[in-house]
Formats: sequence, structure tokens, C-alpha cells
Amino acid sequence: GAVVSQHPSRVICKSGTSVKIECRSLDFQATTMFWYRQFPKQSLMLMATSNEGSKATYEQGVEKDKFLINHASLTLSTLTVTSAHPEDSSFYICSATVAGGLQETQYFGPGTRLLVL
Amino acid sequence: AQSVAQPEDQVNVAEGNPLTVKCTYSVSGNPYLFWYVQYPNRGLQFLLKYITGDNLVKGSYGFEAEFNKSQTSFHLKKPSALVSDSALYFCAVRDRSTGTASKLTFGTGTRLQVTL
Repeated sequence: GAVVSQHPSRVICKSGTSVKIECRSLDFQATTMFWYRQFPKQSLMLMATSNEGSKATYEQGVEKDKFLINHASLTLSTLTVTSAHPEDSSFYICSATVAGGLQETQYFGPGTRLLVL
Repeated sequence: AQSVAQPEDQVNVAEGNPLTVKCTYSVSGNPYLFWYVQYPNRGLQFLLKYITGDNLVKGSYGFEAEFNKSQTSFHLKKPSALVSDSALYFCAVRDRSTGTASKLTFGTGTRLQVTL
């Protein structure tokens, strides 16, 4: 149980285009999803916290107009990188928590590798 | 503020030998502690967590971790390492006193290399 999927797993796009990444909880309802960015050989950097039906909370230094997050349902959150540039190339990982209690564990998706040319 | 330190960038161990990956933490309240493993080009897989109760926590793939409050540590251990355990390991902490869905703080990761 507690499986999280991401789509696509890998995407290559031209500079200036927008890219949408989907994060789905497959076998549970997730009231909260998190979006992380990971640079090579580095730890995960939290970008934003996404709650179903409300606006995402962005971490300091993360441009909310560039990284649009929509948490439309209890099983789906999307991250759209708008007007992508080469410096946005990275590994993006989402996670989801099972609804209820303080003890929830974050379950991670397999990640999406974005390369902006 | 909460933080996690993983003092070793890499740990090398021979297959069959015991392994330890170190983690220390800092939180203002009581901690929830987690270990995750990451294989190349993959997301993080949950290994184990400490919430409350026994200080020795057993998790997936034969891994265990011991919560030591006085030393603020949560070291990951396995009695007998396998080559397939080679991966990147992350320790993470969350302050128990904060609300639901509070963010995790991750360590910088420790690469485990198990050789024959």
C-alpha cells in the first residue's frame, strides 16, 4: 500500500515552454502532497506543500508564479514549470501523506527528470 | 528550527559485515524520525520510522535504527550487508509538536557502498 506515482518519469523540453508533472496517490487519499527538487548528489529541497482544495504554501525563494501547483483532488497534485529555462533542469520528486493523525509518513513518487534545452 | 546531520558522505562495507549509517538531529520538541533509501534515478523509499515506544525500530529489508534521546541520534544499522543495499540513504526529522503535514527536514544523504 501507499504507492505514489509520477508522470512523466522523464521529459525534455525547449527553453520557454511549460511542463506539467503529475503526482498521484494510487491506493490512498492524500490530503497533503509535497513537491521537492533534488540537484545531483544533493539532498531534497522542499519547494512547496500542497493541500487539497487550497493554495499551495511555497518555501522561501521558490517562485510561485513559475512553479504552479494544483491539488485538484485527494489523489492528484500537479506541478507546472512555466517558461522553463535550462537552470530549471532537475529531478523533481513528490510525496504524499495519508490523511489523519500526526504520525503520517511521507510516501514518495519515483521522481521526474526534467531537462530543459 | 529542525535539522539533521549525516556526518559521512560515504560508508564502505564488505558484504556480510554489519553496517551503520549515522544520523543526529535537532528539534525544539520531540522528534519523529525517518530513514529513506534512494536508488539511482528513483524516488525515495521508506525504510522505517520512530514515533514513540521502543527505541529500537525494525524496518524493511532487515534494517533497524536505534533512537537515542540523550545523544539525539538515530543511526541506521543492518547486521549483515548485501551488495544490493548499495544506495543513497537519507535521514529525516519532523518536530512532533507541530501540526499535521508538517514538513520533513532531510539530511544530506550518505552513500552506502557494499562490496564483495
